[in-house]
Amino acid sequence: KAGVTQTPRYLIKTRGQQVTLSCSPISGHRSVSWYQQTPGQGLQFLFEYFSETQRNKGNFPGRFSGRQFSNSRSEMNVSTLELGDSALYLCASSLAPGPPKDEQYFGPGTRLTVT
Amino acid sequence: DAKTTQPNSMESNEEEPVHLPCNHSTISGTDYIHWYRQLPSQGPEYVIHGLTSNVNNRMASLAIAEDRKSSTLILHRATLRDAAVYYCILRDGTSYGKLTFGQGTILTVHP
Repeated sequence: KAGVTQTPRYLIKTRGQQVTLSCSPISGHRSVSWYQQTPGQGLQFLFEYFSETQRNKGNFPGRFSGRQFSNSRSEMNVSTLELGDSALYLCASSLAPGPPKDEQYFGPGTRLTVT
Repeated sequence: DAKTTQPNSMESNEEEPVHLPCNHSTISGTDYIHWYRQLPSQGPEYVIHGLTSNVNNRMASLAIAEDRKSSTLILHRATLRDAAVYYCILRDGTSYGKLTFGQGTILTVHP
């Protein structure tokens, strides 16, 4: 079974621009979660989608948004990019959003650099 | 989210067992104990999870104390590939997809 895929793998954007990242979950997985990883803050939860509905959200400004499609694929968007948004963005999928079948499988991430 | 406490770092020799401890004294009755690890330059990887009973899978074993206030991840024979940051995370039914990563334990494996 194919793993979680994320596109693009690397991205360079200019401050003020917007960016859209894509995530394709493992086949059959309906829950998709997004995380931001930076050296200073570590791994932080952004949001989670299940059946096209956002079920949980982390403490990030409204510039960070996402959506999920009927095939469970998900996108996240960051508008008005700031230098501090430079990070590795990770997507994870699971069968369900809660226990007991909620182990998450992560993609390789998208490395975003904002200049 | 209930808090977990892990040592900052541990070291092991290749082919020896490794016991990674985690304290979670405020765990609630419905919290599952999850372990993930992150190898250098990779996304986190699911290792194992359990509720009350000890659990085994092909990667590791999870030993849960009887009072559930602590747990231990056991790697039976460490390899160089097991060098990673190991995270102990508590999950309940209300956290909908959210994993709260702490600082984790940096495991170094010596040849």
